[in-house]
Amino acid sequence: DTGVSQDPRHKITKRGQNVTFRCDPISEHNRLYWYRQTLGQGPEFLTYFQNEAQLEKSRLLSDRFSAERPKGSFSTLEIQRTEQGDSAMYLCAGVKTAQETQYFGPGTRLLVL
Amino acid sequence: QKEVEQNSGPLSVPEGAIASLNCTYSDRGSQSFFWYRQYSGKSPELIMFIYSNGDKEDGRFTAQLNKASQYVSLLIRDSQPSDSATYLCAVHRGSTLGRLYFGRGTQLTVWP
Repeated sequence: DTGVSQDPRHKITKRGQNVTFRCDPISEHNRLYWYRQTLGQGPEFLTYFQNEAQLEKSRLLSDRFSAERPKGSFSTLEIQRTEQGDSAMYLCAGVKTAQETQYFGPGTRLLVL
Repeated sequence: QKEVEQNSGPLSVPEGAIASLNCTYSDRGSQSFFWYRQYSGKSPELIMFIYSNGDKEDGRFTAQLNKASQYVSLLIRDSQPSDSATYLCAVHRGSTLGRLYFGRGTQLTVWP
């Protein structure tokens, strides 16, 4: 158990709807990462936070995607106006201060109909 | 050229055999290398990391790194059916704070 939890674990939505995912790392995880993984591919980086600061965003993170980590603890990832191409597993990973290893939560599987 | 490439699978080995998984990376400045195991429908689980050239052993797993050849591998000795999973190679480039670059993964099946 990595201590990273994600909610919901599964989400089915209709195209055009907005969805929000939550990630809760452990308190020692000062860095938090979001990735997206589609079938048959490795995870692709979306964005990461150090404490509450969003330090890097991928070009994959279009203007329909937004992420926050308001108090440097939990994080949310919102997708507006979902498209079928957004169907994927959304993964959150935490990293402890002064370490490198990223520990993943269980993921949120999104299906856009 | 992709950042991280893994040998095409699927790979199938009998129980008790050695499974060899390979990975190459394109950025010569890459510094940290990770192997994750991912069971179907689950999230990636860290197996090993390696930073220095040479071998690093942890139980039945050995990671090998050759920075000159930009090559990292994972050996699984005495393979078990429970090792059947997809193995993801991941690389940190330069900064240790940034993203991981993942390969597509190699699917391993260990048959009894």
